[in-house]
Amino acid sequence: AQKVTQAQTEISVVEKEDVTLDCVYETRDTTYYLFWYKQPPSGELVFLIRRNSFDEQNEISGRYSWNFQKSTSSFNFTITASQVVDSAVYFCALSDYSSASKIIFGSGTRLSIRP
Amino acid sequence: DAMVIQNPRYQVTQFGKPVTLSCSQTLNHNVMYWYQQKSSQAPKLLFHYYDKDFNNEADTPDNFQSRRPNTSFCFLDIRSPGLGDAAMYLCATSRDEAIGPDTQYFGPGTRLTVL
Repeated sequence: AQKVTQAQTEISVVEKEDVTLDCVYETRDTTYYLFWYKQPPSGELVFLIRRNSFDEQNEISGRYSWNFQKSTSSFNFTITASQVVDSAVYFCALSDYSSASKIIFGSGTRLSIRP
Repeated sequence: DAMVIQNPRYQVTQFGKPVTLSCSQTLNHNVMYWYQQKSSQAPKLLFHYYDKDFNNEADTPDNFQSRRPNTSFCFLDIRSPGLGDAAMYLCATSRDEAIGPDTQYFGPGTRLTVL
């Protein structure tokens, strides 16, 4: 069965600190996609990144970086030099052919950045 | 900008009074989804349309219905809202699930209050 685990329910750091959000997934499919979404207090789910299972290259986008490791079934998200505007709930998600292309969300990590 | 639009952003209804939430998209995506999200939880898929083909989740209550009159619009009807239906309702779109899992793009959500 497909499953996404975000063990960190809440994280609070001081502005400018680096912070890593953990994501561990389970799937039997060899082809699957992983996502991160950000949900600020306004409520909209904002797409951040999509990764397919054949591409293990780490990705950096500004202050955001993602570390995909198939060996440990993890897809971790790091924010460097965090800012107050990064405060949000972050969801890791999985989609594969067994789930008929539905997104399986993790339970989310609430990130608070203190000034 | 191409986007997913939801109206209204906030909806208040009375217990048992039917309510309709609307979603429109300018992305020309084939697939549209409705999610329910309760406080501090991950979004829960209610149903989705692949073009005009309606797909209901097994655990979606009969109280929830949907209509998709054309590619751009999709409606969520709650026939007799109960207090437990108070939640954020998120609409999402993706290009074409026939080619496999694809990124879902979300609207800003409608926050439903039931009095």
